[in-house]
Amino acid sequence: DSGVTQTPKHLITATGQRVTLRCSPRSGDLSVYWYQQSLDQGLQFLIQYYNGEERAKGNILERFSAQQFPDLHSELNLSSLELGDSALYFCASSVDPREAYEQYFGPGTRLTVT
Amino acid sequence: KNQVEQSPQSLIILEGKNCTLQCNYTVSPFSNLRWYKQDTGRGPVSLTIMTFSENTKSNGRYTATLDADTKQSSLHITASQLSDSASYICVVSAFGGADGLTFGKGTHLIIQP
Repeated sequence: DSGVTQTPKHLITATGQRVTLRCSPRSGDLSVYWYQQSLDQGLQFLIQYYNGEERAKGNILERFSAQQFPDLHSELNLSSLELGDSALYFCASSVDPREAYEQYFGPGTRLTVT
Repeated sequence: KNQVEQSPQSLIILEGKNCTLQCNYTVSPFSNLRWYKQDTGRGPVSLTIMTFSENTKSNGRYTATLDADTKQSSLHITASQLSDSASYICVVSAFGGADGLTFGKGTHLIIQP
């Protein structure tokens, strides 16, 4: 158990809908990362937050947005969902936002868009 | 463009045997290289992290090597166990932050009894 929690574990929704994925980082970690992992793709970095502020952006679609709240939990919002958005979405956290620091991954949320 | 290539894509070996997984990268400027183990449907778990100055690092039966000159890394698994069945992902980090992380597609390892 990494100490990072994600809810829900599974989510099934229809195309065009909007969903929110939630992540609670390890106690003491200030940085949160979101990743997408499709069936035939490796992990794709989406976005990083540090202490409530956006720190780095990766391959995140405009239909997707995220935020980190004062209590350091983070939410990833996915809207106008398409079939191709079906994937595992992972959250990770680290104590320091710099690339040398260990990231601890949560168990993931499996999103299925039908 | 930063890239990480892993080989083989998949590997099947018998329990108790050793194996070596490969990772080649073109990431600049290089900061560190990590190997993760990912069980099916679970989050990745870190095995090793190596910086430029380190050329080997062990974690139990896992030993990672790094050749920064040739930009190659390997992960050697000794005396494999059924629980080693997983995907092994090589991740290379460039200086500058999380957007500098480049992930390989992983090697899918199956240990057969």
